[in-house]
Amino acid sequence: GNSVTQMEGPVTLSEEAFLTINCTYTATGYPSLFWYVQYPGEGLQLLLKATKADDKGSNKGFEATYRKETTSFHLEKGSVQVSDSAVYFCALSDQGGGKLIFGQGTELSVKP
Amino acid sequence: NAGVTQTPKFRVLKTGQSMTLLCAQDMNHEYMYWYRQDPGMGLRLIHYSVGEGTTAKGEVPDGYNVSRLKKQNFLLGLESAAPSQTSVYFCASRDAPLNTGELFFGEGSRLTVL
Repeated sequence: GNSVTQMEGPVTLSEEAFLTINCTYTATGYPSLFWYVQYPGEGLQLLLKATKADDKGSNKGFEATYRKETTSFHLEKGSVQVSDSAVYFCALSDQGGGKLIFGQGTELSVKP
Repeated sequence: NAGVTQTPKFRVLKTGQSMTLLCAQDMNHEYMYWYRQDPGMGLRLIHYSVGEGTTAKGEVPDGYNVSRLKKQNFLLGLESAAPSQTSVYFCASRDAPLNTGELFFGEGSRLTVL
């Protein structure tokens, strides 16, 4: 079945460091891919998305490119801030089931 | 802008007790979902609904029941709570097509079963 695998956390970085959070997927068909973010004490919210191969999603300085050849959707940011501390979830759309399938989440902690 | 509202936000139960979590959305969305979030497991889908009067099983439905009698409400019930159901529960809704649309989440309900 469809699945999403993320790099394990927690990830701890200093402010202004470069961020990469790896995400790979297994899916039939052509799913859309998403990154959601969960700030402390809150629900998840959409960060960015890509609906087809080679699309790049971007928002708030974060980027991710839909790579069908490597079945990946890695999240990157050039310079993280303390306010980026959160849990990040990669997800794919399960078209047949009408639902999103989430990875296990990666906790990011950014220190001043 | 209320969005998706979950009640209660915190609850402690004893094993065997029953309870209902309520999810209410004011965006007129067709689709609603209940997820549970556990450390190292991410979000796992419990049940979902594609419209008023419909429900379907997700990945981990055992021990839970749901109802969608009104379009704006999606109830999650635990008939006989077990410690394994200690978790944070999230409700979500959407209206746009799945491949482009966004899920809107509530703030979560933390349930502890002793």
